[in-house]
Amino acid sequence: EIVLTQSPGTLSLSPGERATLSCRASQSVSSTYLAWYQQKPGQAPRLLIYGASSRATGIPDRFSGSGSGTDFTLTISRLEPEDFAVYYCQQYGSSPVTFGQGTRLEIK
Amino acid sequence: EVQLVESGGGLVKPGGSLRLSCAASGFAFSTYHMNWVRQAPGKGLEWVSSLSSASSYIYYADSLKGRFTISRDNAKNSLFLQMNSLRAEDTAVYYCARGGLYVPSDYWGQGTLVIVSS
Repeated sequence: EIVLTQSPGTLSLSPGERATLSCRASQSVSSTYLAWYQQKPGQAPRLLIYGASSRATGIPDRFSGSGSGTDFTLTISRLEPEDFAVYYCQQYGSSPVTFGQGTRLEIK
Repeated sequence: EVQLVESGGGLVKPGGSLRLSCAASGFAFSTYHMNWVRQAPGKGLEWVSSLSSASSYIYYADSLKGRFTISRDNAKNSLFLQMNSLRAEDTAVYYCARGGLYVPSDYWGQGTLVIVSS
C-alpha cells in the first residue's frame, strides 16, 4: 500500500499570500495518477488537480500542482477567502487507492 | 449536469447490514468507473471500493476483509454498496464518486451517513 504523508498538518496564512502544500509518498507514484482535492465543512470533496499538474474543469489558475516520484506539491498562488479548507492528495494508480491525511488551510 | 445522489444510510446495530445506493444522472453512467469513499466523523477521506464500467474489475480496501460488496446496474444508472457485519468503526459519511483506479474522482455525491451503534 502506498502511504501518502501530507505536510504541514495545518497551515495558517492570510488572504493574498501564497500557499504551498506537500504530499510525500512511501514509494514512487506515477505522475499520471496523483490528484488533489479540496473539502469545505459539510461538503463533498472537489477535484482540483489530476495527473499531478492538470487542473480540473472550472478550477482557477491560481491552483497549480507539480512534482514527480515521491514528492508532490499543491500551490495556491494568491489565497482567496474561499480557499480556506482542507486539502487531500490521492494516488489512484495502484490498489488500494490511498489518500493523504489532509492539510487544513486556515485564516491567520 | 452530472448528479450523484446517495441513499440508504441510517442507524444500524453492530453486526447488522445496510445497502447503500447511488443514483447517477447527467452522464453516460455505463462508460465510467465508479467509487465509494468514506469519511468518519472529523477524520480524513478513506477509499472503500472501485468498480470498472462493465464490472470487470473490482477493488476493495484491505481493511474491509470481505464484508463489503460493490455492484452496479448500468440499465438503471445505479451504484450499490452492500455492507455486512457492520462495526462501530464503519460509522462514516459514505460518498459515491465517479472515478476509480487509474481515474480521478471528478464528481461526488453529497454523501449518506451510516451510524453503527447499539
